[in-house]
Amino acid sequence: GEDVEQSLFLSVREGDSSVINCTYTDSSSTYLYWYKQEPGAGLQLLTYIFSNMDMKQDQRLTVLLNKKDKHLSLRIADTQTGDSAIYFCAESMSRDDKIIFGKGTRLHILP
Amino acid sequence: EPEVTQTPSHQVTQMGQEVILRCVPISNHLYFYWYRQILGQKVEFLVSFYNNEISEKSEIFDDQFSVERPDGSNFTLKIRSTKLEDSAMYFCASSDPGLAGDWGFFGPGTRLTVL
Repeated sequence: GEDVEQSLFLSVREGDSSVINCTYTDSSSTYLYWYKQEPGAGLQLLTYIFSNMDMKQDQRLTVLLNKKDKHLSLRIADTQTGDSAIYFCAESMSRDDKIIFGKGTRLHILP
Repeated sequence: EPEVTQTPSHQVTQMGQEVILRCVPISNHLYFYWYRQILGQKVEFLVSFYNNEISEKSEIFDDQFSVERPDGSNFTLKIRSTKLEDSAMYFCASSDPGLAGDWGFFGPGTRLTVL
């Protein structure tokens, strides 16, 4: 069945780059997403990537996709205290299909 | 910028009571979804709705749950007889999967507490 796996915690010093990794099992996943959830808040769509792309960059965010290994990563450059949140990797087969989420990676920023 | 809205933001209810969670999807969207997130756990799909009927539901979405689009703007999730384990954050989402459309956007959530 569909599954999305990611590590639960990551600690990074302020100003360094954060890299959050994710693997998924469904090779027919077409859309892969990164969501951000701050404490007590909703799900903010940060970025997404189509499965026929290798990389997508959006300001401080870089998404890398290795479709062969079913591996997705999110790199946050120059990590700030405001980046402290839970980051969810997610996938769907189409734009109208349900979105399958990973358990989330809690990003902790060290001073 | 259009957004999905949900009311109430927090609902407290007694076990066995019925609750209705409300969502206003983005106005031109045609697909609607409910998800839930039990505290500290992952976001789980409950149900998708299109063309006035359920298009897919998960095993969580049992007979205690129902969805409705009572008018042109609201999308509701009803839990008939709440259990303690229904306590969670419930998120609504909507999508327009057309080429120029939006998808993947969620509302701010309703926190349901069952006592």
